[in-house]
Amino acid sequence: YELTQPPSVSVSPGQTASVTCSGDKLGNKYVSWYQQRPGQSPVLVIFQDDKRPSGIPERFSGSNSGHTATLTITGAQATDEADYYCQAWDTTTAVFGGGAKLTVL
Amino acid sequence: EVQLVESGGGLVRPGGSLRLSCATSGFTFTNAWMTWVRQAPGKGLEWVGRIKSKVDGGTTDYAAPVKGRFAISRDDLKSTLYLQMNSLKTEDTAKYYCTTSVTDLYSIDVWGQGTTVTVSS
Repeated sequence: YELTQPPSVSVSPGQTASVTCSGDKLGNKYVSWYQQRPGQSPVLVIFQDDKRPSGIPERFSGSNSGHTATLTITGAQATDEADYYCQAWDTTTAVFGGGAKLTVL
Repeated sequence: EVQLVESGGGLVRPGGSLRLSCATSGFTFTNAWMTWVRQAPGKGLEWVGRIKSKVDGGTTDYAAPVKGRFAISRDDLKSTLYLQMNSLKTEDTAKYYCTTSVTDLYSIDVWGQGTTVTVSS
């Protein structure tokens, strides 16, 4: 099973960024999203498609339908510049997308 | 505070073996499903494998690239997770993260700082 993400996404500060993740019938699976800043361990920002863990800003939101899941960052900030990975389960194994580098400029 | 601390990384020759450890604290390790995730230099995240809690069967699942070569085990008395890596290949070079979830079974919300494994002659 494969998850496909765009290699890069750009957004201006204060604008909305959308990072997509595509996979066969992905809407039938739970999708998680992770943020990884350079030199740091990943951080969970969205789980079960659209839920935010405690401590994650409200500007992060998620959706999942059909074959595409989307991570949306509303009002992007410079601190949001990072790599973002989607993740889902294929029966008993987990799969990560290739990652998308979000540039805020 | 939930903590995961990996150790055991290092330089190993192709075909060699290495065992990684992950010391845990701050949560009930006995009930936790534990996962290893790796990241090759400059590359993305790759799921390695998972071990369920003993109460849920204690079974393991592995990604295709490591199946048959890697083995995950746990010592609930020591609250420690292990990854035994055999027949190592250069493509196994990566930072290995010990992870778990205290939120649900589908995501990973706790990550260690990682330990680096380099497979090279």
